[in-house]
Amino acid sequence: SAVISQKPSRDICQRGTSLTIQCQVDSQVTMMFWYRQQPGQSLTLIATANQGSEATYESGFVIDKFPISRPNLTFSTLTVSNMSPEDSSIYLCSVSWAGGGELFFGEGSRLTVL
Amino acid sequence: RKEVEQDPGPFNVPEGATVAFNCTYSNSASQSFFWYRQDCRKEPKLLMSVYSSGNEDGRFTAQLNRASQYISLLIRDSKLSDSATYLCVVSNTGTASKLTFGTGTRLQVTL
Repeated sequence: SAVISQKPSRDICQRGTSLTIQCQVDSQVTMMFWYRQQPGQSLTLIATANQGSEATYESGFVIDKFPISRPNLTFSTLTVSNMSPEDSSIYLCSVSWAGGGELFFGEGSRLTVL
Repeated sequence: RKEVEQDPGPFNVPEGATVAFNCTYSNSASQSFFWYRQDCRKEPKLLMSVYSSGNEDGRFTAQLNRASQYISLLIRDSKLSDSATYLCVVSNTGTASKLTFGTGTRLQVTL
């Protein structure tokens, strides 16, 4: 397993602003992902964060809205751009190792957009 | 039709009861199956993988029926600490990429 630290743990933001969420892992991991969990909903995969290259986005998510960086094997950021109240959600970083089927999650970043 | 469907519950059961959760998935090519547990305001954590032959871990038993595209989780002798949301998770790739999560079934175990 790994220790996955997300910052901020929560934030309240104004409409139209952007917020960057950081995910730091205490060991090198093969795969890093960003998920969203909206109130009363299950987890939805936003994108796979690829080390040294552009993230791979799922249907319904685009780079302009959710730019992602992954400069190395232990760190990634997700930015929620030009926020609206519909972006209010919990954003979760998750990691996995090659060949493994288990995902480990960070504690999540709870975002409220006013 | 949702890719992974679960009864949202809540299931309210007394301590010591046996409770079963069901889950159906739509993609017949799905390769890997899991149950995750999510406590209130916490991140999900893997409870157990689900194998074709069925598997048991203490009080927890998971079963897979590929023909019916159906997964189940049985909890025996429920404890108060079992209260949580149980997420059915399916992978089309056999790895942790492209996991599809169900909306979860909430369990409340009471005295």
